[in-house]
Amino acid sequence: QVQLQESGPGLVKPSGTLSLTCAVSGYSISNGYWWSWVRQPPEKGLEWIGEIDHSGSTSYDPSLMSRVTISVDKSKNQFSLNLRSVTAADTATYYCVRNGAYCLEYWGQGTLVTVSS
Amino acid sequence: EIVLTQSPGTLSLSPGERATLSCRASQSVSSSYLAWYQQKSGQAPRLLIYGASNRATGIPDRFSGSGSGTDFTLTISRLEPADFALYYCQQYGSSPPVYTFGQGTKLEIK
Repeated sequence: QVQLQESGPGLVKPSGTLSLTCAVSGYSISNGYWWSWVRQPPEKGLEWIGEIDHSGSTSYDPSLMSRVTISVDKSKNQFSLNLRSVTAADTATYYCVRNGAYCLEYWGQGTLVTVSS
Repeated sequence: EIVLTQSPGTLSLSPGERATLSCRASQSVSSSYLAWYQQKSGQAPRLLIYGASNRATGIPDRFSGSGSGTDFTLTISRLEPADFALYYCQQYGSSPPVYTFGQGTKLEIK
């Protein structure tokens, strides 16, 4: 079955760029579906960041759009998140997800990223 | 922007009881666009219900979803110890594409 695994630095300095990668196994990104990033600040709710499809088409949450880029590397079967100009408010567990029918179906285990100097 | 409000914030019940969780939208939502998730401590959310009433793969039939328009409900017919967790509703907005979540309901053992 499809599995997703996030990777990247667990600590990012303020004003820096948060960069994460999601490795997908059990399914080829080239075969379809949209792929999302979702985050969850400590002890808070879920926030959708954006999504990408196999062709590289993207959609982003309007509140983050100015700082976010999501990209896909079909040759490595992975997709990535870049979030620029981070502050402490961006401290969260970041999840990568394969979308379903207007829902978020398969989730990675998540990775905690802390923004601190 | 559609806002989802879940109630109650915390629900205290005993195993074997029936749980009813509410999700109210600030504007009408297509039933196709409403989903529910379960999140246990330290784990990723798990999709339970999509399209308001369709169980996701592997979800037991004691979980059911219903509703339309602005009022949606997740019902757990007979609570088991593993069901005590956080539950979120989510809606999909198409113009522009966006996923938004309710603030969550904590289901705790009484």
